[in-house]
Amino acid sequence: ILNVEQSPQSLHVQEGDSTNFTCSFPSSNFYALHWYRWETAKSPEALFVMTLNGDEKKKGRISATLNTKEGYSYLYIKGSQPEDSATYLCAFTSGYSTLTFGKGTMLLVSP
Amino acid sequence: DAGVTQSPTHLIKTRGQQVTLRCSPKSGHDTVSWYQQALGQGPQFIFQYYEEEERQRGNFPDRFSGHQFPNYSSELNVNALLLGDSALYLCASSFDRQGAFFGQGTRLTVV
Repeated sequence: ILNVEQSPQSLHVQEGDSTNFTCSFPSSNFYALHWYRWETAKSPEALFVMTLNGDEKKKGRISATLNTKEGYSYLYIKGSQPEDSATYLCAFTSGYSTLTFGKGTMLLVSP
Repeated sequence: DAGVTQSPTHLIKTRGQQVTLRCSPKSGHDTVSWYQQALGQGPQFIFQYYEEEERQRGNFPDRFSGHQFPNYSSELNVNALLLGDSALYLCASSFDRQGAFFGQGTRLTVV
């Protein structure tokens, strides 16, 4: 049984703070690690797909790193804004594009 | 491009009834996966359809069944509904093991 763990479960920060979340996943049979942002009443939105050990991806103020050997990924948000408030999900895939999700980290950014 | 569309957005059913949920994939996508998100959990993989056949299945009972049509759209059927089937059901489409795009989900409430 594949187990994807995310921490923290929730986070409340002030506007302008930087923050980071952790995703741990099985290091065997790895194909890709996905990060999604999910705002209330919307579809989960893909942020990054990471496949190579040591991968670093960036999209605006959000970046992510990947360590496949030890089975973890970090997501960083620099200078959080209220519009960053969402649940951030990571998902592991070992093939066929089926995703095994963590429970997510719920981020609330206060003005 | 309308992206992934799901219908209905909400529905309420009684225990023991049957329900059908529908999904139209993003244009150009040929693979459809279904996920169940129960309260406080990450999305759980139900099954994946490709070339009108079930290619992979998660740990869900046979009461959960599906279908994919020649135009790649898909249905999820759940028979003999239980209270525990109350959840958000997400459809995701993809092409050739690339990142999955999600619909907004169908909120099913079983009473």
